[in-house]
Amino acid sequence: AQSVTQLDSHVSVSEGTPVLLRCNYSSSYSPSLFWYVQHPNKGLQLLLKYTSAATLVKGINGFEAEFKKSETSFHLTKPSAHMSDAAEYFCVVSDQGSSNTGKLIFGQGTTLQVKP
Amino acid sequence: EAGVVQSPRYKIIEKKQPVAFWCNPISGHNTLYWYLQNLGQGPELLIRYENEEAVDDSQLPKDRFSAERLKGVDSTLKIQPAELGDSAVYLCASSLVLAEGGNNEQFFGPGTRLTVL
Repeated sequence: AQSVTQLDSHVSVSEGTPVLLRCNYSSSYSPSLFWYVQHPNKGLQLLLKYTSAATLVKGINGFEAEFKKSETSFHLTKPSAHMSDAAEYFCVVSDQGSSNTGKLIFGQGTTLQVKP
Repeated sequence: EAGVVQSPRYKIIEKKQPVAFWCNPISGHNTLYWYLQNLGQGPELLIRYENEEAVDDSQLPKDRFSAERLKGVDSTLKIQPAELGDSAVYLCASSLVLAEGGNNEQFFGPGTRLTVL
């Protein structure tokens, strides 16, 4: 069965410093992996996605993530945090090639706090 | 292009009352999803439709929850009767799934926040 584990429930950084949100996944198939962001009272927005192409994926707002199969990780990074990055971040796995096409499995979420 | 539309955005009801949520997916999207998001947790799939067919409703509590997607476009999710534990955010998402194993990018609506008193 597929699953994701977000290793930190809460991350706090200062504005202008790097962001690292950690995610490990478990999948029986070649996975598709996503990062979504959720701002208060707003819908989930896709930041980036990995679908078996380049292992380093660039997303919106300066975020990127690297797929590491040997470590079963898909950590999200950003070189310099902005106040507007404060939100809830979800690591998500979807199995390509399984009979459950379309089923997303969400992690528990990581709350990113950005201090001025 | 309009995104996924959900209504109402907020709903407060007393326990044992019925409640319904409505979702209008992105035009042309053949697949529609309802998710439940409890406070402090990630969304969990309740039901997935491909056109008008419910292809995965294994996580839907069928004793009190029901859903429909007549004509393969709009969808409604109903709870009857509501219980205190149903307080959560109900999210609708849609995607265009072209083939088995194809890329699955889902677009989410803002959700309906349900409070059961």
